[in-house]
Amino acid sequence: GAGVSQSPSNKVTEKGKDVELRCDPISGHTALYWYRQSLGQGLEFLIYFQGNSAPDKSGLPSDRFSAERTGGSVSTLTIQRTQQEDSAVYLCASSFRPRGIGEKLFFGSGTQLSVL
Amino acid sequence: AQSVAQPEDQVNVAEGNPLTVKCTYSVSGNPYLFWYVQYPNRGLQFLLKYITGDNLVKGSYGFEAEFNKSQTSFHLKKPSALVSDSALYFCAARGENRDDKIIFGKGTRLHILP
Repeated sequence: GAGVSQSPSNKVTEKGKDVELRCDPISGHTALYWYRQSLGQGLEFLIYFQGNSAPDKSGLPSDRFSAERTGGSVSTLTIQRTQQEDSAVYLCASSFRPRGIGEKLFFGSGTQLSVL
Repeated sequence: AQSVAQPEDQVNVAEGNPLTVKCTYSVSGNPYLFWYVQYPNRGLQFLLKYITGDNLVKGSYGFEAEFNKSQTSFHLKKPSALVSDSALYFCAARGENRDDKIIFGKGTRLHILP
């Protein structure tokens, strides 16, 4: 596709349920990020994949959150036992990161997660 | 640890006046700096970036930003604001190491008053 694709666009779930959010980055992009956007919290970094390097998981808020990236392309963010405070917009972004050059990110439209 | 600060939650400017949206950063080594904009009901869009070279960088929609190494700042500017510039603006930064991640500030909501 032409851009970063995220699905679903909206997800309503009950507290305690698990959810999976999907991101299809732009083909050929080596870097993939997940961010969370909450009112008043800006863009909170969650996890970063870069090529074959080990992912930077330093932003994951708890062990209920995990993410994987298969084949260097599609990524899935999984939230287990969802809580109401997990409600937010989850944004995926990708970029092509040649060595030593600052790249720009291309963002998806996000998944609006609502935990009831 | 890396950090980006946007000290103003909201900035109000009259149409036609110059605008400034402030940003300071803390990263390892030489910084790579960015501004992104989020218009209502639209995704985040890249505005401009600083990698090296001239301290004043120009970007989309007439925006520019000034890099100041001594003050570790990267303020966004525009000489004459338009009502259509009203949006949420995010400053972002990363360090110079290959595996450094990009982190964002909390955002500044810009209101241009007609």
